[in-house]
This record gives sequence, structure tokens and C-alpha cells, in this order.
Amino acid sequence: SYELTQPLSVSVALGQTARITCGGNNIGSKNVHWYQQKPGQAPVLVIYRDSNRPSGIPERFSGSNSGNTATLTISRAQAGDEADYYCQVWDSSTAVFGGGTKLTVL
Amino acid sequence: QVTLKESGPVLVKPTETLTLTCTVSGFSLSNARMGVSWIRQPPGKALEWLAHIFSNDEKSYSTSLKSRLTISKDTSKSQVVLTMTNMDPVDTATYYCARILTVTTSYDYWGQGTLVTVSS
Repeated sequence: SYELTQPLSVSVALGQTARITCGGNNIGSKNVHWYQQKPGQAPVLVIYRDSNRPSGIPERFSGSNSGNTATLTISRAQAGDEADYYCQVWDSSTAVFGGGTKLTVL
Repeated sequence: QVTLKESGPVLVKPTETLTLTCTVSGFSLSNARMGVSWIRQPPGKALEWLAHIFSNDEKSYSTSLKSRLTISKDTSKSQVVLTMTNMDPVDTATYYCARILTVTTSYDYWGQGTLVTVSS
């Protein structure tokens, strides 16, 4: 079965740029989606199909995907960005989620 | 306004069957551009996809849980139902239903989730 690997945690200084990676075999050939989940809340879609932002998501959120790594980039990080982030792809008609990354804004 | 709401028991005993209902509004389960999935999250752990169903009744299940899961829908009631047999304490989790858009293949709307505890 297909596996997605994310770092357990990423730290970023307030106002700086955070990058969260999602590794998978030839993930560049798949569409990657990213979700933000704050404590006690349901996930929220922040990036779909590698690099597209849903309505209402700040331009500070961007994504890229190539080779074996997809990356979620959060520019000018804010305290409100502190959350768990999950990547997700489809493989053989099943959805696969990464293990999640906890973003801490220092 | 699109909403999804999960309902079902908060506590089930080991070996029992869990039945969860997702009631949707703001869109139709007959819409060919959309489907509904069930996703769960054990306390403090990652999201785990369980199953999905589309308007044409196409269904898919998690490989590891396939033998225990059944997903169905009642379009007239705007409900998607998930049953999971032979519940175990490791199945304790928050269970979410979420809408998937076929054009993007992403989950654009999620329910609030319902915590199910498996304990005797």
C-alpha cells in the first residue's frame, strides 16, 4: 500500500517561512492535498491538487510537488497557523493520509 | 450552505457493531461531481481513511478494514451510513464524514466529527 511520510514536527519563528514536506514514491505523479487541523476541530482544506488554494485561504499558503516530495509552504507565519497539517493523495481508489506534522510558531 | 453532521452512539462495547450516520445539507448525494467519505482519528493520532461512496453507488473501502465496513446512502434522506462490525477498543476515535469533489479529488467540507469510545 502507498505510504506518505511527514516530519512529526516543524518549528518556525513568527513572521518567517515554514516548509512541511510529504514524501512518497513518485508522489510528483499524484495530486496532493493539504489539510490544517487545529485542536478540537475538523480538518480544513488549505491546498488542493498540489498548489491550488481554496477560497478564503490566505496567499501565504502555497504548495509544490515534484519527484518524491510534496511541500506545503507557509510564508510570514502567524500564531494562528499553529496546527497539525496532513497531506493526502489517492492511490488505487483509496485515500491515503500522511502521519501529520505539528507546526509550532515560536 | 454545505454542512455534514455525524450521529451515532458515543459508547459501544467490544464485539458490537457500530452504525454511524452522516446527514448532509446544501448538496445532493445524487450529484455526480461529489461523494462522501468516512475518515477517523484516534485520540492524538493521525487521520485514517475508511470508505467512500459516490452518486452512482460506487464504493471503496480501506484495505485493512474492508472485511468490517459497509457504506451505503439514502439519497432521499441525504444520509450516508457506515457500519463497522466487531468493534475493539483500538477503534476508539473521532469519526468524520467529509465531502469529496470529483473534479479536485479533495475533501472540501467536513463534519464536526463524533467521538466513539469502545469499552466494556
